[in-house]
Amino acid sequence: AQKVTQAQTEISVVEKEDVTLDCVYETRDTTYYLFWYKQPPSGELVFLIRRNSFDEQNEISGRYSWNFQKSTSSFNFTITASQVVDSAVYFCALIPNSGNTPLVFGKGTRLSVIA
Amino acid sequence: DSGVTQTPKHLITATGQRVTLRCSPRSGDLSVYWYQQSLDQGLQFLIQYYNGEERAKGNILERFSAQQFPDLHSELNLSSLELGDSALYFCASSVAGGLAGPGEETQYFGPGTRLLVL
Repeated sequence: AQKVTQAQTEISVVEKEDVTLDCVYETRDTTYYLFWYKQPPSGELVFLIRRNSFDEQNEISGRYSWNFQKSTSSFNFTITASQVVDSAVYFCALIPNSGNTPLVFGKGTRLSVIA
Repeated sequence: DSGVTQTPKHLITATGQRVTLRCSPRSGDLSVYWYQQSLDQGLQFLIQYYNGEERAKGNILERFSAQQFPDLHSELNLSSLELGDSALYFCASSVAGGLAGPGEETQYFGPGTRLLVL
């Protein structure tokens, strides 16, 4: 079975602080894909990143960075110098490459950035 | 803006009623997916269509049904509504529905339809 765990339900930081959102996944597949989505207060789901299991290189996009560690089954997301606009619920998700399984989401982490 | 459109944005109805949610995928995308987001269950996959055919089914209730039309838009029909059906319903689309592998492409989500059953 596939499972995504986001242990942090809510995080609150002060603007300009760095914050890391944790994501731990479970799958028996050797090939799989990991995603992060952002859900701002307006409600839509915004795609942030997709990473396959063969690519363990960390990725940086502006203030966002992702750390994929297969050894610990983790795909953590760091926001550097957080801003109020980063306030949202962030979801980590997984698709294994076998079968026809759709996105399996974690429960999400609500991030509040306080000015 | 993801390019996926959903109507209506909000829907308020009564128990026992039937509603239809509509989704238009991004231009060029052949596959649509429906997800339900509720407070207790989180984000859950309901059903996927690819080029008019059902491709995968998740935890979709028998009271719910969907279809994808020749112009690729999709409708999710919810009938005999119960209070517990109140949720945010998302549609997502992708290019080929994962034919090259389920994770080979990204699903882009619409803004959602917020359903409130009173």
